[in-house]
Amino acid sequence: DGGITQSPKYLFRKEGQNVTLSCEQNLNHDAMYWYRQDPGQGLRLIYYSQIVNDFQKGDIAEGYSVSREKKESFPLTVTSAQKNPTAFYLCASSIGTGVTEAFFGQGTRLTVV
Amino acid sequence: GENVEQHPSTLSVQEGDSAVIKCTYSDSASNYFPWYKQELGKGPQLIIDIRSNVGEKKDQRIAVTLNKTAKHFSLHITETQPEDSAVYFCAAIFTGGGNKLTFGTGTQLKVEL
Repeated sequence: DGGITQSPKYLFRKEGQNVTLSCEQNLNHDAMYWYRQDPGQGLRLIYYSQIVNDFQKGDIAEGYSVSREKKESFPLTVTSAQKNPTAFYLCASSIGTGVTEAFFGQGTRLTVV
Repeated sequence: GENVEQHPSTLSVQEGDSAVIKCTYSDSASNYFPWYKQELGKGPQLIIDIRSNVGEKKDQRIAVTLNKTAKHFSLHITETQPEDSAVYFCAAIFTGGGNKLTFGTGTQLKVEL
């Protein structure tokens, strides 16, 4: 089945530790995105990538880092510099940026204690 | 700046009634307006979209209308059913910002029996 897979579904980390969230797609999509979801604030864009080895900051990139070494993979690292890391993180992909449908993964709920 | 406003934040209707969710956007150059449905603990899924060269689009019980002059678009769900209960997000593509999707803050729809 084609799709976009995020793992793990739930993740717990201690404050001060970096943590990496996985996102893999087998849809052959060029563009991939990371969103953060908090109650009452909708989806806010963290980073996006339009092509392998290239990525751009979104609206709330501070405290996060990404890489795009392979077309299929777009991991997100939540660093200790992110002041409020506890949230629901969503990865998405699309054929390209612009007027195309974005497909979302099932999300990772990160809790930092 | 880029902005999508969505109202209401919560909506409760009786089964069989209609539900309407409204969004406004700031960038007059936006040309793609998707609507996503998110069930609890899952990623959003596209339910309908509309492009700027169309004023209305319908898919069974779901319809979307677009008023480019007023810069607003609406989701209409008729004959609501309990399985329509979910969070709904509108979004718009801002062509001046790298063609990134910007989302509204979401509407929690509850269909009561």
